[in-house]
Amino acid sequence: AQKVTQAQTEISVVEKEDVTLDCVYETRDTTYYLFWYKQPPSGELVFLIRRNSFDEQNEISGRYSWNFQKSTSSFNFTITASQVVDSAVYFCALILSGGYQKVTFGTGTKLQVIP
Amino acid sequence: EPEVTQTPSHQVTQMGQEVILRCVPISNHLYFYWYRQILGQKVEFLVSFYNNEISEKSEIFDDQFSVERPDGSNFTLKIRSTKLEDSAMYFCASRTGPENTEAFFGQGTRLTVV
Repeated sequence: AQKVTQAQTEISVVEKEDVTLDCVYETRDTTYYLFWYKQPPSGELVFLIRRNSFDEQNEISGRYSWNFQKSTSSFNFTITASQVVDSAVYFCALILSGGYQKVTFGTGTKLQVIP
Repeated sequence: EPEVTQTPSHQVTQMGQEVILRCVPISNHLYFYWYRQILGQKVEFLVSFYNNEISEKSEIFDDQFSVERPDGSNFTLKIRSTKLEDSAMYFCASRTGPENTEAFFGQGTRLTVV
């Protein structure tokens, strides 16, 4: 069975600092997809990024960047120049390829950005 | 942009009552899911639904729970005889199919059992 581990339960940073959220996953499948979701205090899940197992290119989107390394089964998320609006719980997730596969979530990392 | 819609956003119910949480998945999606998140905890899988039947369910999804797609557009989660520990955020999600594995989540229904 697949598993997603987010070892950092809570992180606090001062505004404008960079912060990296760690994600380590386990699966025996060779085809899978990794995700990051943001959950602001209002509670909804906001999709941030999807990555498939065959694409190890790092991605940058504004202040967000993602580092996918299959060799270490990691999919880390970095926020550059953090802002107060980045304060949220961030979930890393995994889904296997094929039909009705379910999304497996990590336990989440609560990020607090202090002004 | 199409989205998954859940109603109500917040439901308060008395212990022992039945509740129905409603979801309208994205129209061309074929796979539907319910997830649960107890406050401060991880998002947990409850059930997946495809071709008008349950394709997988977790150990959480016991006889108290049922799902239905009554009219081809709505996807409902029924909780019979609610318990205090059913208080949680419930998320509905849908996917187009195996080629596109992004799951689109609704905004959630916060269920409070008192």
